[in-house]
Amino acid sequence: DAKTTQPNSMESNEEEPVHLPCNHSTISGTDYIHWYRQLPSQGPEYVIHGLTSNVNNRMASLAIAEDRKSSTLILHRATLRDAAVYYCILRDTWGAQKLVFGQGTRLTINP
Amino acid sequence: DAGITQSPRYKITETGRQVTLMCHQTWSHSYMFWYRQDLGHGLRLIYYSAAADITDKGEVPDGYVVSRSKTENFPLTLESATRSQTSVYFCASSERRAARGYEQYFGPGTRLTVT
Repeated sequence: DAKTTQPNSMESNEEEPVHLPCNHSTISGTDYIHWYRQLPSQGPEYVIHGLTSNVNNRMASLAIAEDRKSSTLILHRATLRDAAVYYCILRDTWGAQKLVFGQGTRLTINP
Repeated sequence: DAGITQSPRYKITETGRQVTLMCHQTWSHSYMFWYRQDLGHGLRLIYYSAAADITDKGEVPDGYVVSRSKTENFPLTLESATRSQTSVYFCASSERRAARGYEQYFGPGTRLTVT
């Protein structure tokens, strides 16, 4: 499975945008980029995914670099509830549906 | 209740005992997964299942047994528990369709302590 690299931790302020980076220099052409987050004492939850184009949903936006070697998860206005560990995961289109979680980025939101 | 549930939520057992963690989902999802999460670490896949009676190993299958006789249930058994299996166990499910990138839905977790 292709590997992702994320900062261990990031900090931001409430109501400000947050940009969470992810490097995946060994990504293959059939790998989708997925983001999940894990709130304290809960199971992970899906945030967003994409292949080549930028994606938006009600939770966040995903900006994918043109060469696909990096991506950025954007939370447009962070709230205290967004404090969580965010995981960037590559999933092979043709592989099984399993996900390989790395260490993720622990996001702290200051009031 | 609809969704994915795990039982028990907390379990303390002794080394050498057999323990079974239960997972039940009401969506009729084809895929089900078991992960473990050790303190301060990400999740690691133990076993997964693509359908009833079809299971396959993940990253860390040793010491665990799974079965899937019904689509909605995916029990995980520790045949002879060891202290290294102290962890939080998460069950997840996903549907076969590509909608939302085969999004996985996770249960609340079972915190297992082996003494």
